[in-house]
Amino acid sequence: EVQLVESGGGLVQPGGSLRLSCAASGFTFSSYWMHWVRQAPGKGLVWVSRINSDGSSTSYADSVKGRFTISRDNAKNTLYLQMNSLRAEDTAVYYCARGSKTVEYWGQGTLVTVSS
Amino acid sequence: EIVLTQSPGTLSLSPGERATLSCRASQSVSSSYLAWYQQKPGQAPRLLIYGASSRATGIPDRFSGSGSGTDFTLTISRLEPEDFAVYYCQQYGSSPGLTFGGGTKVEIK
Repeated sequence: EVQLVESGGGLVQPGGSLRLSCAASGFTFSSYWMHWVRQAPGKGLVWVSRINSDGSSTSYADSVKGRFTISRDNAKNTLYLQMNSLRAEDTAVYYCARGSKTVEYWGQGTLVTVSS
Repeated sequence: EIVLTQSPGTLSLSPGERATLSCRASQSVSSSYLAWYQQKPGQAPRLLIYGASSRATGIPDRFSGSGSGTDFTLTISRLEPEDFAVYYCQQYGSSPGLTFGGGTKVEIK
């Protein structure tokens, strides 16, 4: 069974940093592209970033470019999102997701709250 | 950047009725890269349709997708109580990545 379990969310002050992790199991992690997608409270889904299967190629939404870094450790079956210079508008549930052009599986999400 | 516009914003229907949800793209989208998701409150989204018209594993056949170019449709032939949720369309493009529509909420009338 495919499982994606996010962790690392929490309350952080504006300008602060947080690193999210996503532990993958039930499939060959190193064979799949992965994404981070976020959802602000009561709002829709917004794509944040993606990484290819070996980590050699990444892409970011304009709203997070230069502040967030996606990475992966295929030996540990884990996806990461390093978030720096956090802003109030980054407050959202962050989902880890598997797929390339389509998201086949989603984690349950981890809540990030940016507030003083 | 392609923008996906979903309509209506809210659809009020009764169980057993047919639901027709629209997703319109600002420019032509490859059908191969158009998907639909269902999201219930407090849950992660779930893939329903990929490639514009193919059902994902385990999705009942009352869900169907159609369309091409800039106009795509998700149809639920007969609404079951568990189908009341928010539905999102999504497309993939080389820049910036995945794009989601704003969502259509299907609520009980």
